[in-house]
Amino acid sequence: KQEVTQIPAALSVPEGENLVLNCSFTDSAIYNLQWFRQDPGKGLTSLLLIQSSQREQTSGRLNASLDKSSGRSTLYIAASQPGDSATYLCAVPIGAGANNLFFGTGTRLTVIP
Amino acid sequence: SQTIHQWPATLVQPVGSPLSLECTVEGTSNPNLYWYRQAAGRGLQLLFYSVGIGQISSEVPQNLSASRPQDRQFILSSKKLLLSDSSFYLCAWSDQGAYTEAFFGQGTRLTVV
Repeated sequence: KQEVTQIPAALSVPEGENLVLNCSFTDSAIYNLQWFRQDPGKGLTSLLLIQSSQREQTSGRLNASLDKSSGRSTLYIAASQPGDSATYLCAVPIGAGANNLFFGTGTRLTVIP
Repeated sequence: SQTIHQWPATLVQPVGSPLSLECTVEGTSNPNLYWYRQAAGRGLQLLFYSVGIGQISSEVPQNLSASRPQDRQFILSSKKLLLSDSSFYLCAWSDQGAYTEAFFGQGTRLTVV
C-alpha cells in the first residue's frame, strides 16, 4: 500500500531564503509525481509534474527532483517570497490507468517579509 | 487553454437536504474527471472518477453519488446530507491516457448544519 509523507508539516523562513520541501513515498513503482500549491480555502494549482523517467523539472524559481530508488522527491524554491506562502502537496498516481492521485498531507510554508 | 469551473464556492445546507455540486471543463475533449474531498486537517481523498460519459467509478462508499451527463460536466450529488458530509470538495480533470497531469478547480466549501 502506497504511503506518502511530507516533512515538515510546517515551515517558516525569512524572505529571500532558498528552501527545500520533502516528499517520501513507500512504493517506488510510480509513473510520475506531481507537486501542487494550495492557498487557504482555495483549490490546488499544479506546479510541476515529473515523469518516472525524469530526474528533474524546473519552472521559474521552482525545481523538483525525483529519486524513485530512494522513494523521495524534493521541491526546491529559490529566493523565497511572501507570495510563496501556501501549503505544498505532492501526489502520486495509484491504481490502474485513470490517474487517481494519492496525496501527502502537505507542508505549510510561511515566508516572513 | 483549458479551464475548470466549479460552483458554488460555498454552500450551507441543512441535514437531510439534497446536494448538487457542478463542475465543467472548457478547452478539452473527453477528459478524465474527478471529485476529491478534503476534510479539515486531513489529506485529499478521491471520491469518484470518470473516464467518459456515464462511466463513474467510486473509490469510497458513502452518502454521495456522481454523474457525468455530458462530456465535460461532472456532478456530485446526495439525496440526504449528513453532518459528516461537511467538507471541502474539489473537482479535477486530466487528459485521457494514463498518468497525465491533473488540474483542479477552486473547490466548494460545504457546511451541513
